[in-house]
Amino acid sequence: SQTIHQWPATLVQPVGSPLSLECTVEGTSNPNLYWYRQAAGRGLQLLFYSVGIGQISSEVPQNLSASRPQDRQFILSSKKLLLSDSGFYLCAWSATAIHGYTFGSGTRLTVV
Amino acid sequence: DAKTTQPNSMESNEEEPVHLPCNHSTISGTDYIHWYRQLPSQGPEYVIHGLTSNVNNRMASLAIAEDRKSSTLILHRATLRDAAVYYCIPRVLDGGYQKVTFGIGTKLQVIP
Repeated sequence: SQTIHQWPATLVQPVGSPLSLECTVEGTSNPNLYWYRQAAGRGLQLLFYSVGIGQISSEVPQNLSASRPQDRQFILSSKKLLLSDSGFYLCAWSATAIHGYTFGSGTRLTVV
Repeated sequence: DAKTTQPNSMESNEEEPVHLPCNHSTISGTDYIHWYRQLPSQGPEYVIHGLTSNVNNRMASLAIAEDRKSSTLILHRATLRDAAVYYCIPRVLDGGYQKVTFGIGTKLQVIP
């Protein structure tokens, strides 16, 4: 069966520090991968999506970036965090265009 | 992109049916309607999806209007564990892969 792993679960980082969040999927090949962010009390905002290794599409310009170094690995990064980067970050995958999403358990990031 | 309108919040008594409405009047003919729910501090969970016909699964039923401009998620017997934010989402194909945009959703409160 397919599983999605996301870590860490919580993270407190100072302003200006770098960020690296990792997401891996098991039990499937060539998944579509997604990064979402949810600010407190808000809906989910799509940040990046990827349909294959090295293929990244950005939905919202910001100081975040994403990479997909392996088929089932998706990484969200920042060189310098801002206070506004705080939020709940969720990784998700889908098998094909007609399948639903499966989300990871999320990372709650607090930038202080 | 197709837009959706959902009530911000709804209440239901435990063990009673719940009908969660969603308007998606701008949906295209090929967009599936997906429903997800999000429990506090968790990632969204897939509930159900459909295109034109009504759909049933172990979690819920989905009733889609004949003109596809609205749909209703039906929880047949609400339990306390069903208290969550419910998202109605058109699954839009963009370049052959899906993009799912989450709005604010409907916060369902279940009263014991």
